Amino acid sequence: NAGVTQTPKFRVLKTGQSMTLLCAQDMNHEYMYWYRQDPGMGLRLIHYSVGEGTTAKGEVPDGYNVSRLKKQNFLLGLESAAPSQTSVYFCASTDWTSGNEQFFGPGTRLTVL
Amino acid sequence: GIQVEQSPPDLILQEGANSTLRCNFSDSVNNLQWFHQNPWGQLINLFYIPSGTKQNGRLSATTVATERYSLLYISSSQTTDSGVYFCAVEQSGGSYIPTFGRGTSLIVHP
Repeated sequence: NAGVTQTPKFRVLKTGQSMTLLCAQDMNHEYMYWYRQDPGMGLRLIHYSVGEGTTAKGEVPDGYNVSRLKKQNFLLGLESAAPSQTSVYFCASTDWTSGNEQFFGPGTRLTVL
Repeated sequence: GIQVEQSPPDLILQEGANSTLRCNFSDSVNNLQWFHQNPWGQLINLFYIPSGTKQNGRLSATTVATERYSLLYISSSQTTDSGVYFCAVEQSGGSYIPTFGRGTSLIVHP
């Protein structure tokens, strides 16, 4: 049981490049989330999903897209990276029908030059 | 949306000291969680505590939902307690979207 995993762990992009961050969970959770963490700002929600095939916008969705084609995977895409997207990205999952705890992945540190 | 405020923003302790961290929220909540982010960045769920009191070793938490606050107690602090403590609440209404506070940064010196 690996919990929540994220790939890659680190990435450096140039402005305008694109990339996809992958989140995978093996706990059969319905809900999955993408957050970004910036110094002094706590965690801010980018997008979330309440089940396979669904996605919704969070607090700071601009510049990001997501997909949830399979229940266990939640992808975060940056189509044209900007320096303002330099951050640490966390994925989380939960099953609100039992326990209500959120489980977090280890994070992806992204730098956009 | 709901506002979540944590205090103090920073805390420095000597090993062995006790501390209390506070989380205030502006509206009714369905649930509340406390997390610890260790110096390597990993976020660990400490408590799921929408109301009442829970204890886990040296840590305990109390949520008074009617007064819209929660407290996290750390007793006999150790250097491994260092990191950032976050409170996250889900506003009543069934959104299942936790809102995080900005955290309390704790440093425990040996």
